[in-house]
Amino acid sequence: ETGVTQSPTHLIKTRGQQVTLRCSSQSGHNTVSWYQQALGQGPQFIFQYYREEENGRGNFPPRFSGLQFPNYSSELNVNALELDDSALYLCASSLAPSENTGELFFGEGSRLTVL
Amino acid sequence: GNSVTQMEGPVTLSEEAFLTINCTYTATGYPSLFWYVQYPGEGLQLLLKATKADDKGSNKGFEATYRKETTSFHLEKGSVQVSDSAVYFCALRGKDSNYQLIWGAGTKLIIKP
Repeated sequence: ETGVTQSPTHLIKTRGQQVTLRCSSQSGHNTVSWYQQALGQGPQFIFQYYREEENGRGNFPPRFSGLQFPNYSSELNVNALELDDSALYLCASSLAPSENTGELFFGEGSRLTVL
Repeated sequence: GNSVTQMEGPVTLSEEAFLTINCTYTATGYPSLFWYVQYPGEGLQLLLKATKADDKGSNKGFEATYRKETTSFHLEKGSVQVSDSAVYFCALRGKDSNYQLIWGAGTKLIIKP
């Protein structure tokens, strides 16, 4: 069974740039959600994708966008980076929303630093 | 809105000590409650969960009971080991949650031999 993998593991960007983070879901999972975790804080929900469509979104501006592909992998895109976007970005895969009782399977995250 | 509050860390204990990490929540209705754990160098993983009042979740010697009357879901373990050193997160999913989990800030646990 292949777990959730994320890339890159670390990256540094400057303010105003754009970034794309990638995630491969665990085999058998068709739902992917993304979370932002600032240092010393719990994860904050960004959005969730199911069947290649966004079906849930947290309190993040539109410059945070995503995609899900037919193989259930996903991308998180952030435009016009701000210093406060510096965080660990976590991807989690799970069963379909109707079947999921809340168990998420996380990758190790992508640590983004914005200078 | 929904929220989770857990005790600040770090919590430092000696091996074989009794552990309690407090977690309280605010939510409408009856949310599902979770404890996730993050070991050094690893991703978050589910430790245990409870989906209704008075349910007890348990795993790897850890337990937590869903207490509706006190809106709490405290994590306990009778005898901790060095290998339990990790960051522990309490989380909830509301019934009208938009599928998201709401997380506490995490509690770092350090077990000394």
